[in-house]
Amino acid sequence: DAKTTQPPSMDCAEGRAANLPCNHSTISGNEYVYWYRQIHSQGPQYIIHGLKNNETNEMASLIITEDRKSSTLILPHATLRDTAVYYCIVRDDKIIFGKGTRLHILP
Amino acid sequence: NAGVTQTPKFQVLKTGQSMTLQCAQDMNHNSMYWYRQDPGMGLRLIYYSASEGTTDKGEVPNGYNVSRLNKREFSLRLESAAPSQTSVYFCASSELAGPGSFIYEQYFGPGTRLTVT
Repeated sequence: DAKTTQPPSMDCAEGRAANLPCNHSTISGNEYVYWYRQIHSQGPQYIIHGLKNNETNEMASLIITEDRKSSTLILPHATLRDTAVYYCIVRDDKIIFGKGTRLHILP
Repeated sequence: NAGVTQTPKFQVLKTGQSMTLQCAQDMNHNSMYWYRQDPGMGLRLIYYSASEGTTDKGEVPNGYNVSRLNKREFSLRLESAAPSQTSVYFCASSELAGPGSFIYEQYFGPGTRLTVT
């Protein structure tokens, strides 16, 4: 079973920040949080990962709460090309994908 | 540098036929994976290979076999295809995997769309 809970869908206006939440209340101390996205009909694409500290790269920022029970992926300036399903994954022995959040960017 | 490649891109089989899906990566990754994705669903792990010479079952291994031919190639075989195996199949690779190991980011291929009639 996926160890994360995400809303099934979200909308965001183009040019605004998209904030995608994820709950992972059963995460253990050495498990990482990963984010991937899947644009229609393509293979999933790695976005970012983190353990305790907030992380930023050229694609997104990852904010992890101090208790590590939840996290938020931030796309700072969403564009239409960011329309995709976003998966939050807590590392187990194997990466298990849940159903993710379908993000719609509104023009 | 092609990343992860999969062949074929599309395939239609009749029930009971067999076929092998091919996957290759040129990133010198140790670990490789096979997933299936059904409409409206997330990806489900079929089999994975943490390193050359090893394979392990994932969530949904029944009806499939795999071969890690060498470090670059990881094939998925359907011995007797069933309509329930109609799906999109993705291959992926990563630096490390397995119990107790940090799993680096996975790189995915473009997928094989399989229909079993």
